[in-house]
Amino acid sequence: ETGVTQTPRHLVMGMTNKKSLKCEQHLGHNAMYWYKQSAKKPLELMFVYNFKEQTENNSVPSRFSPECPNSSHLFLHLHTLQPEDSALYLCASSQVGGDHNEQFFGPGTRLTVL
Amino acid sequence: AQKVTQAQTEISVVEKEDVTLDCVYETRDTTYYLFWYKQPPSGELVFLIRRNSFDEQNEISGRYSWNFQKSTSSFNFTITASQVVDSAVYFCALRNPRDQGGSEKLVFGKGTKLTVNP
Repeated sequence: ETGVTQTPRHLVMGMTNKKSLKCEQHLGHNAMYWYKQSAKKPLELMFVYNFKEQTENNSVPSRFSPECPNSSHLFLHLHTLQPEDSALYLCASSQVGGDHNEQFFGPGTRLTVL
Repeated sequence: AQKVTQAQTEISVVEKEDVTLDCVYETRDTTYYLFWYKQPPSGELVFLIRRNSFDEQNEISGRYSWNFQKSTSSFNFTITASQVVDSAVYFCALRNPRDQGGSEKLVFGKGTKLTVNP
């Protein structure tokens, strides 16, 4: 495995369901990110984890709950979502503190909330 | 405040044409980083280039070239002899190292959708 992987790639859920998105990075990075990309808005940063500690919560509703058990894995737990939460959810990782600080992205999870 | 503007929402060209994607940024800081990403229809953002604010050298990588002009706060991207596989949405982004030690946040432009027709 290389780079950043995300599962599932596609997810359809009802508003009362509970589901989780998974992200794994194989780059040895120390920071991970969740972004939301919807059709009518630019990329929105949701959460940032540095060394497993959450350092940013960009005013995200509590129906989105992140979890970072170690520096290689990142989850996004979803519950009681709304149809407007339908979007592409992208995970990224980077190495904080060096010159090579570009973020590498996974393929995304296309989420549809019915 | 940091801001990235990609004024071109969509561009359509014919294969083999050259095309330039514009990016204008705003930041109060003297040290910052600029990036370009490509997002093909599959959805994954592919990193293309990083440029530090103190390095104004232009860069060429194959058919891709980047023109960084601090005087006009622009970081434009040119594709020479475009190909159908270049069709994608291209994002310009800005990062301010003031967040180092805390969060590293990228500010993205809205993207430019490039369509290269055969």
